Amino acid sequence: AQSVTQLGSHVSVSEGALVLLRCNYSSSVPPYLFWYVQYPNQGLQLLLKYTSAATLVKGINGFEAEFKKSETSFHLTKPSAHMSDAAEYFCAVRSRDDKIIFGKGTRLHILP
Amino acid sequence: DAEITQSPRHKITETGRQVTLACHQTWNHNNMFWYRQDLGHGLRLIHYSYGVHDTNKGEVSDGYSVSRSNTEDLPLTLESAASSQTSVYFCASSEKGGDSDTQYFGPGTRLTVL
Repeated sequence: AQSVTQLGSHVSVSEGALVLLRCNYSSSVPPYLFWYVQYPNQGLQLLLKYTSAATLVKGINGFEAEFKKSETSFHLTKPSAHMSDAAEYFCAVRSRDDKIIFGKGTRLHILP
Repeated sequence: DAEITQSPRHKITETGRQVTLACHQTWNHNNMFWYRQDLGHGLRLIHYSYGVHDTNKGEVSDGYSVSRSNTEDLPLTLESAASSQTSVYFCASSEKGGDSDTQYFGPGTRLTVL
């Protein structure tokens, strides 16, 4: 069965610093992987997705993620954090029957 | 513009009452999903539907039911509300087939059961 594990329920970075949110996956088939973002009091929205094309995936708002099969990882990065990036981020994997399996989320705090 | 809406946005009810949360989408999507979000658990799937008259149980379906009589709506019913069902509920929809992995979420309903 497919699953994802997000390392760290809270991550704090200074404004302008590198953002790195970690996600490892477990899948018996080539995975479809996603990052979703949830801003306060809102629903989730898709940030980016990996569907077996390029291993480096670029998303909205300057975020990108790299699929590394050897490490079973799909970490999310952004070179320079902005205050508006404060949100909760969910890594997810698609199951065989079109369901999305979400991780438990990582709340990103941006320090001024 | 197409959208997905939920109502009410906030609801307070009492233990034992029946509660129905509405979800309406104008994307014309076949797939619709209900999740609950709780601290430390992320999003957990309650029920989902792949089309009219189709419903399926998710990982936390006990105490909840859904019905799909048209493409646009998937109401979620709590038959007899319990305090353990206090949560934020999200509805989502997606295309069938190739782009089914992109789910579009509603704004959520915050339910409190006293």
